[in-house]
Amino acid sequence: QVQLVESGGGVVQPGGSLRLPCTASGFTFSSHTMHWVRQAPGKGLEWLATISDDATKTYYADSVKGRFTISRDNSKNTLFLQMSSLRGEDTAVYFCAREATAGIIPDRFDPWGQGTLVTVSS
Amino acid sequence: EIVLTQSPATLSLSPGERATLSCRASQSIGRYLAWYQQKPGQAPRLLISDASNRATGIPARFIGSGSGTDFTLTISRLEPEDFAVYYCQQRSTFGPGTKVEIK
Repeated sequence: QVQLVESGGGVVQPGGSLRLPCTASGFTFSSHTMHWVRQAPGKGLEWLATISDDATKTYYADSVKGRFTISRDNSKNTLFLQMSSLRGEDTAVYFCAREATAGIIPDRFDPWGQGTLVTVSS
Repeated sequence: EIVLTQSPATLSLSPGERATLSCRASQSIGRYLAWYQQKPGQAPRLLISDASNRATGIPARFIGSGSGTDFTLTISRLEPEDFAVYYCQQRSTFGPGTKVEIK
């Protein structure tokens, strides 16, 4: 079945860095645009970044532009989120999600991974 | 940038009752709207895309409608497993969510 599994979360100090992998299975990973979305504790969903199927195009929310980098390795069916200059407000559960349409513009996120918790604290 | 507003913030209902959730866009978005369900500790799940198309495996009691700026998610008869938070989404924007809780 289609599955996305995030990992790499944990506690990191303010100003630190962390890389989150998202491993995909059950579908042709290289044919789909992919997204990262986060959810701060008790809050709603915030789209962060999108990468095209061939990794030639990337898009970012203003809140993370210049600090976070989305990338992918289609040979390993893996999506990444490199996070740097982390702040307390980056504390959240980070989800990866597949774009269910054929385009690059976010339209429908399906499915989602189970999420990985990142806590930014000293 | 489009802003999505959801109402009410919380809906208190009993199993078997009808739930009506609203999502309003700050400008016309055609029918480009999706709805998600999220239960505590779980990832969101796609329910509806293109305003009214149920995703694979979603029960018929979930009904999406609307176009332009006003959209509605109706749950015709609430089942115990339907108590959750519901989000609308358009492109990279999510609404703040509506919590459907047991009365």
